[in-house]
Amino acid sequence: SQTIHQWPATLVQPVGSPLSLECTVEGTSNPNLYWYRQAAGRGLQLLFYSVGIGQISSEVPQNLSASRPQDRQFILSSKKLLLSDSGFYLCAWSGGPAYEQYFGPGTRLTVT
Amino acid sequence: AQSVTQLGSHVSVSEGALVLLRCNYSSSVPPYLFWYVQYPNQGLQLLLKYTSAATLVKGINGFEAEFKKSETSFHLTKPSAHMSDAAEYFCAVSLSGGYNKLIFGAGTRLAVHP
Repeated sequence: SQTIHQWPATLVQPVGSPLSLECTVEGTSNPNLYWYRQAAGRGLQLLFYSVGIGQISSEVPQNLSASRPQDRQFILSSKKLLLSDSGFYLCAWSGGPAYEQYFGPGTRLTVT
Repeated sequence: AQSVTQLGSHVSVSEGALVLLRCNYSSSVPPYLFWYVQYPNQGLQLLLKYTSAATLVKGINGFEAEFKKSETSFHLTKPSAHMSDAAEYFCAVSLSGGYNKLIFGAGTRLAVHP
């Protein structure tokens, strides 16, 4: 069966510091991968998606970037965090015919 | 273009009462539709999905949803609420055109009181 991992689970970082969040998927190959952000009390915002190694599409212009160095690895990064980057970051994968997405446990990021 | 509207950002029910969470969609093509649940500080969990087979879809935890094309609705129901159902629920529609992107509604927070 497929499993999706995210780490770290929680992170507190000062403004201006770099960021690296990692997501890995097990039990499937060539998945589509996604990064979402949930700000406090708000819905899901799609940040990036990837259909293959090195292929990244950005949904919104922002202070973040994403990379996919391996088939089942998806990384979210920032060179300098802003206060507005605080939120709950979710990674997801899809690969089935019904296009459903399966989510990881999330990373709670607090920028101070 | 596809879109999803969830009516009611907060719904409160008594334990044992009917749960009804409303979702309306807009899609130019037959959609795939989904309901997800999110418990505090956790990721989203797929409750159920509609993929153009049966219009009444049964999911986990006793939830079900009915696809009504004439009403462009996909409401989520559960006959008897349990305290453990308290969570946030998201309706989503697949975005045609590739890459398996989903369009999510704004979410409905369900509270269950004794």
